[in-house]
Amino acid sequence: ETGVTQTPRHLVMGMTNKKSLKCEQHLGHNAMYWYKQSAKKPLELMFVYSLEERVENNSVPSRFSPECPNSSHLFLHLHTLQPEDSALYLCASSQTGVDGYTFGSGTRLTVV
Amino acid sequence: GESVGLHLPTLSVQEGDNSIINCAYSNSASDYFIWYKQESGKGPQFIIDIRSNMDKRQGQRVTVLLNKTVKHLSLQIAATQPGDSAVYFCAENSYSGGGADGLTFGKGTHLIIQP
Repeated sequence: ETGVTQTPRHLVMGMTNKKSLKCEQHLGHNAMYWYKQSAKKPLELMFVYSLEERVENNSVPSRFSPECPNSSHLFLHLHTLQPEDSALYLCASSQTGVDGYTFGSGTRLTVV
Repeated sequence: GESVGLHLPTLSVQEGDNSIINCAYSNSASDYFIWYKQESGKGPQFIIDIRSNMDKRQGQRVTVLLNKTVKHLSLQIAATQPGDSAVYFCAENSYSGGGADGLTFGKGTHLIIQP
């Protein structure tokens, strides 16, 4: 599969669960991002990784923990989430110095 | 707060007509702008981009116009088709030395194509 792939597509979890979202990019990009998309709100940038190092964390609660083991993979580890964390979580990638960002299809997360 | 925004949450047009979707931004340092299309259940899909050293760029059936004086961006879609129904977002970025920077998005305009 080409582009940016996210799994799972849908996830329902309880507030005491621990789960992880996975993102994989097949574009040879060196930067990856996590965004949160809630209903009726703009996409919010959560984390930025460049060359596998985190370069930005936009005041995201510690119950969200990103991991970037290599330039092709990005994870978002989730634990003790709240119902208001229910949203579409989108992964994107880009090549630094080059125009363009490519998004995955997202993981629809529901916290119950 | 947001540095980009859109004027209308919903825009309804007749099939075959031209559509214009507008976006205002407030960050004068923004130098790269992108329009995305998002269909239900999918991630944002790149449509067209423009850098701040240009004021117009054309693609296939789409044109982006940039007015830096009033910090305004627009997306024109010619001869709209049913497949154009989606939510359209503008996004901006202010590059800092070519490093990785995330995008700042507006709220989105839902384009509805009437048959």
